[in-house]
Amino acid sequence: GAVVSQHPSRVICKSGTSVKIECRSLDFQATTMFWYRQFPKQSLMLMATSNEGSKATYEQGVEKDKFLINHASLTLSTLTVTSAHPEDSSFYICSARVNWNTEAFFGQGTRLTVV
Amino acid sequence: DAKTTQPPSMDCAEGRAANLPCNHSTISGNEYVYWYRQIHSQGPQYIIHGLKNNETNEMASLIITEDRKSSTLILPHATLRDTAVYYCIVRRNNAGNMLTFGGGTRLMVKP
Repeated sequence: GAVVSQHPSRVICKSGTSVKIECRSLDFQATTMFWYRQFPKQSLMLMATSNEGSKATYEQGVEKDKFLINHASLTLSTLTVTSAHPEDSSFYICSARVNWNTEAFFGQGTRLTVV
Repeated sequence: DAKTTQPPSMDCAEGRAANLPCNHSTISGNEYVYWYRQIHSQGPQYIIHGLKNNETNEMASLIITEDRKSSTLILPHATLRDTAVYYCIVRRNNAGNMLTFGGGTRLMVKP
């Protein structure tokens, strides 16, 4: 299947700093990518939909000024967690699909720990 | 998208078939049934999907009832590496339509 790659796989940062997570579609172009967050022992929760060349669409309760999403090319979307707090510590996962009518593929996830 | 109901956990003996049920009684005619699994600390992995007919691939088989209100994912010969959380998701194949994850079934394959 298609490959979606996330980087970094793990990151530890200090409170108040910003962290950028990259999501790349390696062998296909993705006009739409999705960002999820998963807390321990919970399911994945959609944070936002990233659209190439336009603004992201955020789910209710997700602060767009805190979680900055940039989808500047058809193969790269980035999520920047700004002014990180310990409660932002979570597993962040991106997803993309080749076409709207095909299955979605997921990155390997990024474990963020804010200390 | 229609909501799904899955048992929270199941056990299966290694080498035996694992049958994971999913109820989606409010599914509509243009909604597909998707199955993904998530091994600990990894991103979800696509397994299989279907609309009406039963489907089979190298990973699993998907059996959808005639009324489409429920389905079963079958792993024919479970191995220890199949231990994971399995998610049954129902969605329309529309542009921009994301996957909504429920609680899933935690499958434990035991030696």
